[in-house]
Amino acid sequence: AQSVTQPDIHITVSEGASLELRCNYSYGATPYLFWYVQSPGQGLQLLLKYFSGDTLVQGIKGFEAEFKRSQSSFNLRKPSVHWSDAAEYFCAAARSGNTGKLIFGQGTTLQVKP
Amino acid sequence: DAGVIQSPRHEVTEMGQEVTLRCKPISGHNSLFWYRQTMMRGLELLIYFNNNVPIDDSGMPEDRFSAKMPNASFSTLKIQPSEPRDSAVYFCASSRPAEGYHSYGYTFGSGTRLTVV
Repeated sequence: AQSVTQPDIHITVSEGASLELRCNYSYGATPYLFWYVQSPGQGLQLLLKYFSGDTLVQGIKGFEAEFKRSQSSFNLRKPSVHWSDAAEYFCAAARSGNTGKLIFGQGTTLQVKP
Repeated sequence: DAGVIQSPRHEVTEMGQEVTLRCKPISGHNSLFWYRQTMMRGLELLIYFNNNVPIDDSGMPEDRFSAKMPNASFSTLKIQPSEPRDSAVYFCASSRPAEGYHSYGYTFGSGTRLTVV
């Protein structure tokens, strides 16, 4: 069955420290991959997406993600975290880019310490 | 671009009552998705439409739930009768046709927080 796994439910980092959020997927073929961020009481905002080509993708707010086919992973990174980055982060995958089911991981809550 | 618009933002209703959630997708987007978010189950896809036609409703929990998309600019999700376990945040999302292999992703609305008492 198709699935997306985010192994870390909750992560705490200090402001200014680097961040990596993990995401693994299980699909028959390489899916389209996405990272979304959700602030409390808000909807989901697209950070970045991957569908082919360069395996390192840049997104908004200084985030980047690296696709590794051999590890079935699409980890999200940021070199220096800001307090405003505290939110919940969701990795998601779809078989096609716009018409297929978008399946979400369980989410990782990021807390930023001053 | 006003984004995906959902109404109401909050809904409190009594068990047994009918609830209707509304969604206006982004103009030009041809796919529309309804999701439900709960602490226990995370984000679940309930149903999605492509060009106003329901493609996959396998995520709809039971017959109490129904969704329609009468035209390209409007969709409803109805729960009748509502139950306390339906309490959740319901999100609508839309997407535009891909251009070649380029995908634009899915744009989400701000959600409707439903509380059934």
